[in-house]
Amino acid sequence: NAGVMQNPRHLVRRRGQEARLRCSPMKGHSHVYWYRQLPEEGLKFMVYLQKENIIDESGMPKERFSAEFPKEGPSILRIQQVVRGDSAAYFCASSPGTASNQPQHFGDGTRLSIL
Amino acid sequence: GQQVMQIPQYQHVQEGEDFTTYCNSSTTLSNIQWYKQRPGGHPVFLIQLVKSGEVKKQKRLTFQFGEAKKNSSLHITATQTTDVGTYFCAESLTGGGNKLTFGTGTQLKVEL
Repeated sequence: NAGVMQNPRHLVRRRGQEARLRCSPMKGHSHVYWYRQLPEEGLKFMVYLQKENIIDESGMPKERFSAEFPKEGPSILRIQQVVRGDSAAYFCASSPGTASNQPQHFGDGTRLSIL
Repeated sequence: GQQVMQIPQYQHVQEGEDFTTYCNSSTTLSNIQWYKQRPGGHPVFLIQLVKSGEVKKQKRLTFQFGEAKKNSSLHITATQTTDVGTYFCAESLTGGGNKLTFGTGTQLKVEL
């Protein structure tokens, strides 16, 4: 029973390039959340998606960042024209629903480094 | 926006000593969840507290939710090296699709 799968585990990009982070939720989970963790800090909510819909993107930077969760395939977090400040660990979590007793299950994260 | 603060930020203990981390909010929390993140790892769900004054135990770990639902604590009795990691509290906003607002975390180091 596979958990939340994220790839790549590590990603290195040069300033100005694009970064694509992928997340496959646990089987049976239709709710996906993306969080960002800066070094030595807590996780900050970015976006919450269900299949084909962005439900809450209140934590997403207004520019360069986008997310999708298509009908088929993984959820994608896309960062265009990356800058040094985008260096962080990006975690995806999934849950089967939004009932308060359903905890989120986290993937291993993608560590993004910007040169 | 709402902030959830945790103290202490860091804690070094000798193996066998007890450890406590405190989570404080300026507003009433609808619930509190606790996560553990090992160095280089991902957050792992430990427990959820919902009721005012609730106390739950998991082996050497004791979790409490304050009477006013504005604070919570995690206490570990007789720490072991396997307890090393960062402990985060988080509120799950049920009206917001259950997105998590994480506390600042307490990093625990256990020395032999």
